[in-house]
Amino acid sequence: AQSVAQPEDQVNVAEGNPLTVKCTYSVSGNPYLFWYVQYPNRGLQFLLKYITGDNLVKGSYGFEAEFNKSQTSFHLKKPSALVSDSALYFCAVRDRGAQKLVFGQGTRLTINP
Amino acid sequence: KAGVTQTPRYLIKTRGQQVTLSCSPISGHRSVSWYQQTPGQGLQFLFEYFSETQRNKGNFPGRFSGRQFSNSRSEMNVSTLELGDSALYLCASSLGTQVPRNTIYFGEGSWLTVV
Repeated sequence: AQSVAQPEDQVNVAEGNPLTVKCTYSVSGNPYLFWYVQYPNRGLQFLLKYITGDNLVKGSYGFEAEFNKSQTSFHLKKPSALVSDSALYFCAVRDRGAQKLVFGQGTRLTINP
Repeated sequence: KAGVTQTPRYLIKTRGQQVTLSCSPISGHRSVSWYQQTPGQGLQFLFEYFSETQRNKGNFPGRFSGRQFSNSRSEMNVSTLELGDSALYLCASSLGTQVPRNTIYFGEGSWLTVV
């Protein structure tokens, strides 16, 4: 079965510093990986996805993610964090042949001014 | 274009009642899926509809049901509500074709509180 893990429940970063939110996956076959962000009392907003091709994927709001097949990881990164980046971040893998996403438990990112 | 629209945004129900939540997908999207989000269980897949047919189903009891209309709009229903059904219910839509690069977009959710 497809699964993803987000090993950190919470990540704290100072404003202006680079940030990384970690995600590892377990899939059979090629992985289709996604990152979503959730602000308080809101739905999920799509950030970026990896389907195939370049291992560095660029997304919305200056975020990017690095796909690493040998380490089965898909970490979310941003070179310079903003206070407004504070939110709940979810990594997800798409079930093969389906429109179903399997989510990690989420990582709460807090950017300190 | 308009995103995924869910109604109502907030509602309070009593145990034993039933509730219907509505979702309008992005124009042109034919697949609608539903997720339940709770602090304890995280985000869990409920079911997916495509062309008025249920294509996938998650591990939820039969009290949870859904349907999709010919215009791709979808409703989900929860009967005999329990306190544990209190959650954020998220609707998502996508083109629905079996192309992995299709992005799945989410609505703002419906907050259900069961008292």
